[in-house]
Amino acid sequence: EIVLTQSPGTLSLSPGERATLSCRASESLTRNYLAWYQQTPGRAPRLLIYGVSSRASGIPDRFSGSGSGTDFTLTISRLEPEDFAIYYCQQYIMFPWTFGQGTKVEIK
Amino acid sequence: EMQIVESGGGLVKPGGSLRLSCLTSGFRFSDYSINWVRQAPGKGLEWVSSVSSGTTNYLRYAESVKGRFTISRDNAKNYVSLQMNSLGVDDTGVYYCARGFDASGGFWGQGTLVIVSS
Repeated sequence: EIVLTQSPGTLSLSPGERATLSCRASESLTRNYLAWYQQTPGRAPRLLIYGVSSRASGIPDRFSGSGSGTDFTLTISRLEPEDFAIYYCQQYIMFPWTFGQGTKVEIK
Repeated sequence: EMQIVESGGGLVKPGGSLRLSCLTSGFRFSDYSINWVRQAPGKGLEWVSSVSSGTTNYLRYAESVKGRFTISRDNAKNYVSLQMNSLGVDDTGVYYCARGFDASGGFWGQGTLVIVSS
Protein backbone atom coordinates (compact mmCIF):
# COMPACT_ATOMS: atom_id res chain seq x y z
CA GLU A 1 0.00 0.00 0.00
CA ILE A 2 1.07 3.59 -0.52
CA VAL A 3 2.17 5.25 2.70
CA LEU A 4 1.64 8.99 2.97
CA THR A 5 3.79 10.94 5.42
CA GLN A 6 2.76 14.47 6.34
CA SER A 7 5.00 17.13 7.81
CA PRO A 8 5.19 18.92 10.05
CA GLY A 9 2.97 17.29 12.65
CA THR A 10 2.00 20.66 14.02
CA LEU A 11 2.32 24.12 12.50
CA SER A 12 2.02 27.12 14.84
CA LEU A 13 1.18 30.28 12.93
CA SER A 14 -0.69 33.54 13.32
CA PRO A 15 -3.71 34.70 11.32
CA GLY A 16 -2.60 36.31 8.08
CA GLU A 17 0.50 34.14 7.79
CA ARG A 18 1.21 31.64 5.04
CA ALA A 19 0.97 27.91 5.78
CA THR A 20 2.85 25.27 3.82
CA LEU A 21 1.96 21.64 4.47
CA SER A 22 3.83 18.71 2.99
CA CYS A 23 2.70 15.21 2.00
CA ARG A 24 5.20 12.63 0.79
CA ALA A 25 4.19 9.34 -0.81
CA SER A 26 6.15 6.09 -0.46
CA GLU A 27 5.91 5.57 -4.20
CA SER A 28 5.24 7.80 -7.14
CA LEU A 29 1.63 8.67 -7.91
CA THR A 30 1.62 8.12 -11.64
CA ARG A 31 -1.67 9.94 -11.93
CA ASN A 32 -2.65 13.07 -10.01
CA TYR A 33 -4.95 11.26 -7.61
CA LEU A 34 -4.05 13.18 -4.48
CA ALA A 35 -6.56 15.05 -2.31
CA TRP A 36 -6.43 17.30 0.74
CA TYR A 37 -9.04 17.56 3.50
CA GLN A 38 -9.64 19.94 6.36
CA GLN A 39 -11.19 18.72 9.60
CA THR A 40 -12.35 20.69 12.63
CA PRO A 41 -13.40 19.06 15.92
CA GLY A 42 -16.63 17.10 15.73
CA ARG A 43 -17.01 17.64 12.00
CA ALA A 44 -16.61 15.42 8.95
CA PRO A 45 -13.55 15.96 6.76
CA ARG A 46 -14.12 18.68 4.18
CA LEU A 47 -12.63 18.16 0.73
CA LEU A 48 -10.40 21.08 -0.20
CA ILE A 49 -8.28 19.89 -3.11
CA TYR A 50 -8.47 16.92 -5.47
CA GLY A 51 -6.40 15.92 -8.47
CA VAL A 52 -3.38 17.53 -6.72
CA SER A 53 -4.41 21.09 -7.55
CA SER A 54 -8.15 21.39 -8.28
CA ARG A 55 -10.16 23.24 -5.66
CA ALA A 56 -13.40 21.62 -4.61
CA SER A 57 -16.63 23.54 -4.98
CA GLY A 58 -16.87 26.51 -2.64
CA ILE A 59 -13.25 26.40 -1.45
CA PRO A 60 -11.61 29.85 -1.23
CA ASP A 61 -8.70 30.57 -3.54
CA ARG A 62 -6.33 31.06 -0.61
CA PHE A 63 -6.08 27.26 -0.65
CA SER A 64 -3.86 25.79 -3.34
CA GLY A 65 -2.30 22.41 -4.02
CA SER A 66 0.79 21.48 -5.99
CA GLY A 67 3.30 18.73 -6.54
CA SER A 68 3.91 15.58 -8.50
CA GLY A 69 5.45 12.15 -8.16
CA THR A 70 6.02 11.65 -4.45
CA ASP A 71 6.00 15.21 -3.09
CA PHE A 72 2.89 17.30 -2.66
CA THR A 73 2.11 20.58 -0.95
CA LEU A 74 -0.97 22.32 0.37
CA THR A 75 -0.53 26.08 0.73
CA ILE A 76 -2.84 28.44 2.57
CA SER A 77 -1.78 31.89 1.41
CA ARG A 78 -3.18 33.92 4.34
CA LEU A 79 -4.57 32.11 7.34
CA GLU A 80 -8.08 33.05 8.41
CA PRO A 81 -9.35 32.19 11.92
CA GLU A 82 -11.49 29.37 10.52
CA ASP A 83 -8.44 27.72 8.89
CA PHE A 84 -6.98 26.49 12.17
CA ALA A 85 -7.73 22.80 11.89
CA ILE A 86 -6.22 19.42 11.02
CA TYR A 87 -5.34 18.73 7.40
CA TYR A 88 -5.06 15.29 5.80
CA CYS A 89 -3.75 14.22 2.43
CA GLN A 90 -5.16 11.15 0.68
CA GLN A 91 -4.19 9.10 -2.34
CA TYR A 92 -6.92 7.51 -4.40
CA ILE A 93 -4.85 6.11 -7.24
CA MET A 94 -5.16 2.61 -5.82
CA PHE A 95 -6.84 0.63 -3.09
CA PRO A 96 -6.46 0.68 -0.22
CA TRP A 97 -7.05 4.42 -0.19
CA THR A 98 -4.55 5.77 2.29
CA PHE A 99 -4.33 8.95 4.28
CA GLY A 100 -1.52 10.88 5.86
CA GLN A 101 -1.46 11.08 9.64
CA GLY A 102 -2.47 14.75 9.56
CA THR A 103 -0.95 18.17 10.16
CA LYS A 104 -2.47 20.34 12.86
CA VAL A 105 -2.42 24.06 12.10
CA GLU A 106 -2.73 25.86 15.41
CA ILE A 107 -2.82 29.47 16.46
CA LYS A 108 0.54 30.74 17.64
CA GLU B 1 -27.75 19.04 -4.45
CA MET B 2 -25.66 16.03 -3.51
CA GLN B 3 -26.43 14.34 -0.22
CA ILE B 4 -25.00 11.35 1.60
CA VAL B 5 -26.62 10.31 4.85
CA GLU B 6 -25.23 7.54 7.04
CA SER B 7 -27.22 5.79 9.72
CA GLY B 8 -27.22 2.65 11.81
CA GLY B 9 -24.47 3.48 14.28
CA GLY B 10 -24.83 2.90 17.97
CA LEU B 11 -23.52 1.10 21.03
CA VAL B 12 -22.79 -2.59 20.66
CA LYS B 13 -21.01 -5.13 22.83
CA PRO B 14 -17.77 -6.78 21.70
CA GLY B 15 -18.56 -9.66 19.40
CA GLY B 16 -21.81 -8.05 18.31
CA SER B 17 -23.03 -6.86 14.94
CA LEU B 18 -24.27 -3.66 13.35
CA ARG B 19 -25.49 -2.75 9.90
CA LEU B 20 -24.64 0.72 8.63
CA SER B 21 -26.62 2.37 5.88
CA CYS B 22 -25.59 5.00 3.36
CA LEU B 23 -28.38 6.71 1.47
CA THR B 24 -27.46 9.04 -1.37
CA SER B 25 -29.11 11.54 -3.69
CA GLY B 26 -28.21 14.26 -6.15
CA PHE B 27 -25.86 12.27 -8.38
CA ARG B 28 -25.99 9.32 -10.74
CA PHE B 29 -25.39 6.68 -8.08
CA SER B 30 -24.55 3.76 -10.34
CA ASP B 31 -21.67 5.71 -11.93
CA TYR B 32 -19.62 5.87 -8.74
CA SER B 33 -17.78 3.62 -6.39
CA ILE B 34 -18.93 4.00 -2.79
CA ASN B 35 -16.50 3.74 0.08
CA TRP B 36 -16.53 3.56 3.85
CA VAL B 37 -13.86 5.42 5.80
CA ARG B 38 -13.63 5.40 9.59
CA GLN B 39 -12.00 7.49 12.25
CA ALA B 40 -11.29 6.22 15.74
CA PRO B 41 -11.61 8.80 18.53
CA GLY B 42 -8.71 11.24 18.35
CA LYS B 43 -7.10 9.35 15.47
CA GLY B 44 -6.69 9.74 11.72
CA LEU B 45 -8.69 8.44 8.78
CA GLU B 46 -8.75 4.78 7.73
CA TRP B 47 -10.31 3.41 4.57
CA VAL B 48 -12.48 0.40 5.38
CA SER B 49 -14.26 -0.89 2.30
CA SER B 50 -15.33 -0.12 -1.25
CA VAL B 51 -17.87 -1.32 -3.78
CA SER B 52 -17.24 -0.53 -7.43
CA SER B 53 -19.52 1.42 -9.73
CA GLY B 54 -22.08 -0.01 -12.15
CA THR B 55 -23.11 -3.62 -11.91
CA THR B 56 -19.71 -5.28 -11.54
CA ASN B 57 -19.89 -4.94 -7.74
CA TYR B 58 -16.19 -5.47 -7.16
CA LEU B 59 -15.75 -5.51 -3.40
CA ARG B 60 -12.66 -4.45 -1.48
CA TYR B 61 -11.84 -4.52 2.22
CA ALA B 62 -9.12 -3.33 4.52
CA GLU B 63 -7.16 -6.21 6.04
CA SER B 64 -8.39 -5.15 9.48
CA VAL B 65 -12.02 -5.92 8.59
CA LYS B 66 -11.71 -8.65 5.96
CA GLY B 67 -13.92 -11.61 6.81
CA ARG B 68 -15.97 -9.61 9.31
CA PHE B 69 -17.47 -6.77 7.25
CA THR B 70 -19.59 -7.06 4.10
CA ILE B 71 -20.39 -4.16 1.79
CA SER B 72 -23.24 -4.21 -0.69
CA ARG B 73 -25.05 -1.74 -2.92
CA ASP B 74 -28.53 -1.36 -4.35
CA ASN B 75 -28.43 0.83 -7.45
CA ALA B 76 -32.23 1.02 -7.62
CA LYS B 77 -32.39 2.56 -4.14
CA ASN B 78 -29.15 4.63 -4.31
CA TYR B 79 -28.10 2.79 -1.18
CA VAL B 80 -25.05 1.06 0.25
CA SER B 81 -24.86 -0.99 3.42
CA LEU B 82 -21.98 -2.19 5.56
CA GLN B 83 -22.70 -5.28 7.60
CA MET B 84 -20.26 -5.43 10.50
CA ASN B 85 -19.89 -8.65 12.46
CA SER B 86 -17.58 -9.78 15.27
CA LEU B 87 -17.05 -6.20 16.32
CA GLY B 88 -14.16 -5.37 18.60
CA VAL B 89 -13.24 -2.26 20.57
CA ASP B 90 -10.84 -1.27 17.78
CA ASP B 91 -13.84 -0.85 15.49
CA THR B 92 -15.08 2.08 17.57
CA GLY B 93 -15.25 5.34 15.67
CA VAL B 94 -17.14 7.51 13.24
CA TYR B 95 -17.91 5.77 9.95
CA TYR B 96 -18.15 7.96 6.88
CA CYS B 97 -19.66 7.02 3.53
CA ALA B 98 -17.75 8.59 0.64
CA ARG B 99 -18.52 8.77 -3.04
CA GLY B 100 -15.74 7.97 -5.44
CA PHE B 101 -13.98 10.78 -7.25
CA ASP B 102 -14.75 12.27 -10.64
CA ALA B 103 -13.68 15.41 -12.49
CA SER B 104 -15.56 17.51 -9.93
CA GLY B 105 -14.04 15.84 -6.87
CA GLY B 106 -15.42 13.55 -4.20
CA PHE B 107 -18.15 13.82 -1.58
CA TRP B 108 -18.57 12.55 1.98
CA GLY B 109 -21.43 12.22 4.40
CA GLN B 110 -21.43 13.49 7.97
CA GLY B 111 -20.78 10.09 9.52
CA THR B 112 -22.38 7.73 12.01
CA LEU B 113 -20.82 6.83 15.35
CA VAL B 114 -20.14 3.23 16.30
CA ILE B 115 -19.16 2.44 19.89
CA VAL B 116 -18.05 -1.07 20.76
CA SER B 117 -17.99 -1.43 24.52
CA SER B 118 -19.09 -3.82 27.21
